[in-house]
Formats: sequence, C-alpha cells, structure tokens
Amino acid sequence: SQQGEEDPQALSIQEGENATMNCSYKTSINNLQWYRQNSGRGLVHLILIRSNEREKHSGRLRVTLDTSKKSSSLLITASRAADTASYFCVTGSNYKLTFGKGTLLTVNP
Amino acid sequence: DTGVSQNPRHKITKRGQNVTFRCDPISEHNRLYWYRQTLGQGPEFLTYFQNEAQLEKSRLLSDRFSAERPKGSFSTLEIQRTEQGDSAMYLCASSPGSNEQFFGPGTRLTVL
Repeated sequence: SQQGEEDPQALSIQEGENATMNCSYKTSINNLQWYRQNSGRGLVHLILIRSNEREKHSGRLRVTLDTSKKSSSLLITASRAADTASYFCVTGSNYKLTFGKGTLLTVNP
Repeated sequence: DTGVSQNPRHKITKRGQNVTFRCDPISEHNRLYWYRQTLGQGPEFLTYFQNEAQLEKSRLLSDRFSAERPKGSFSTLEIQRTEQGDSAMYLCASSPGSNEQFFGPGTRLTVL
C-alpha cells in the first residue's frame, strides 16, 4: 500500500518558473522525505523534514509540512531542464520507506 | 564510483525460468533494502537486511522470492519460476542506519 499521494500527477512548466508539488498522507509520521527519480541519476534523496518542523530549505528546494492537515509541499524555484524527473513523497520508518505514485515534472527549455 | 551497484541492469527471461540479481551496497553501510517498481508507480518495499540478518519481508515477497546477504556485504535476490507479473524494476538501496537511503540503478526484469 502507498501512504503518500502526490498532486498533481503531472506538471509541465517552462525553464525559470517555479514548480510546486503537494503530498497528502494518511497516518502519523516521524518524518517525511522527498526523492527524485530520472533516467540519468536514478532515485535520489532530496530532503527530509521532521514532524516537529514546518519548513525546510535546501538550495532551490523548499519543503513545508503541516501535520494537522497531513500534507506536505515541495517547491522548486527557478526550475531547470535538468529538474525534469518524477518526484516522490516518502513516509515510513528508517528501514521501510513508503512511496507515493509521484509527480512527473517536465521542465521545457 | 562508490555508489550502490546492481547487476545485471537488464534481464529478459521466459516464464518459468529462475533469475538472480545482485546488489553491492556502499561498503560502510550495514543496512540493505530491496524494492520493486512497476510502471507509473513508486517503489514498493520488499525486504530489509541489517548486516547478514533479514529483519523484515513484505507480503509482496511470495514463496518464489528469496533474498540473501550471506556475509553482510553484497546481496542477491532470486525469483524462481518467474511469471509475467514479476516484470518490474528491482531496486536495491543501502544506508548507514540513517533515514536517507541510497539507491542503485536497478535491474529491469522482463518476463516473456
């Protein structure tokens, strides 16, 4: 079973624009992670936010977490063609990750 | 390259045959994981090792599937009597015990 659900399923933007992806999950969590998957680099960890954090930044990435609404968002600013990938919201324990279906982001040059 | 490696990268087999995949984790990582990913879906957890001990198996892992990590280093995943429904990408990951997992490139299995 997949805990997180990303929205939208697909997103197409122009280079330089911002991209926002949302995730909703069902059960309580200790932390939430975002991973990216593309054909070039495979599946890569982007950022982790703990349940007691509301916002976290890493480079052009900004993640928010609202545990009362069981939701998270990932914002990518000033997108590049290289950001084209599937983005997964990931919950679970530190040994068993549970992935959503992902958001397919296409950044057009 | 000191990342997670998987072999083979692609495997095509006929229904009913046995296949074995290998995963070499990052050397200092004591935890190793197997996931399966089908088209349009996120990866699904299959099993987890801490050193050589297999500590958890998903219900997705039927009796035809077996995984080993005999010396706490590399791991193998074997599928016996393959079925067309086994066609998927099989991903291996490792971690030093932190929340972040480091994934290999995967083995794409096609069962004809």
